[in-house]
Amino acid sequence: EDKVVQSPLSLVVHEGDTVTLNCSYEVTNFRSLLWYKQEKKAPTFLFMLTSSGIEKKSGRLSSILDKKELFSILNITATQTGDSAVYLCAVGLIQGAQKLVFGQGTRLTINP
Amino acid sequence: DADVTQTPRNRITKTGKRIMLECSQTKGHDRMYWYRQDPGLGLRLIYYSFDVKDINKGEISDGYSVSRQAQAKFSLSLESAIPNQTALYFCATSGGSTDTQYFGPGTRLTVL
Repeated sequence: EDKVVQSPLSLVVHEGDTVTLNCSYEVTNFRSLLWYKQEKKAPTFLFMLTSSGIEKKSGRLSSILDKKELFSILNITATQTGDSAVYLCAVGLIQGAQKLVFGQGTRLTINP
Repeated sequence: DADVTQTPRNRITKTGKRIMLECSQTKGHDRMYWYRQDPGLGLRLIYYSFDVKDINKGEISDGYSVSRQAQAKFSLSLESAIPNQTALYFCATSGGSTDTQYFGPGTRLTVL
């Protein structure tokens, strides 16, 4: 069974801290790994990674994939209260179906 | 205007009632998906569709049915709602060769 596991499930930090969110996976036919941010309702797309060791960066957020060890991390530096959200990791499979398998999410709370 | 819309946004119903949730998109994508989200469980796939003539079951399709009326419209039905179908429901779309999915705002369904 395809499985995606995120850790920690919940994290509370102070504004200005740096956080690292983890995503590990056990799937057949891996194609891609995606990160989403979910604030009030709809998840919004952050990154898609397909190659090991190549960092994707957007402002204070960055992410990297390790296909040998089967995990990805999402880093957020100089956190702000607006970074408070649930962060979802999902894996895309090569099955012709282009389905995503989601992890449980990490709830990040940034306190001022 | 939002690219992916869902109606209704909130719905409270009683056990045994038939409910339809609707999704429309203006992104021109061929693939559409229905997910449900429960606390601590991430997003789970109910049904997905590659085009009007292609409908596929996801991991939790029991108790649900779908209809793809047009490329831009994908509806989810609960024939006889039960309380454990209380959840947040998302529609998503995807197009081209990318795995990236774009989500609607969600429908919060409560079954009493």
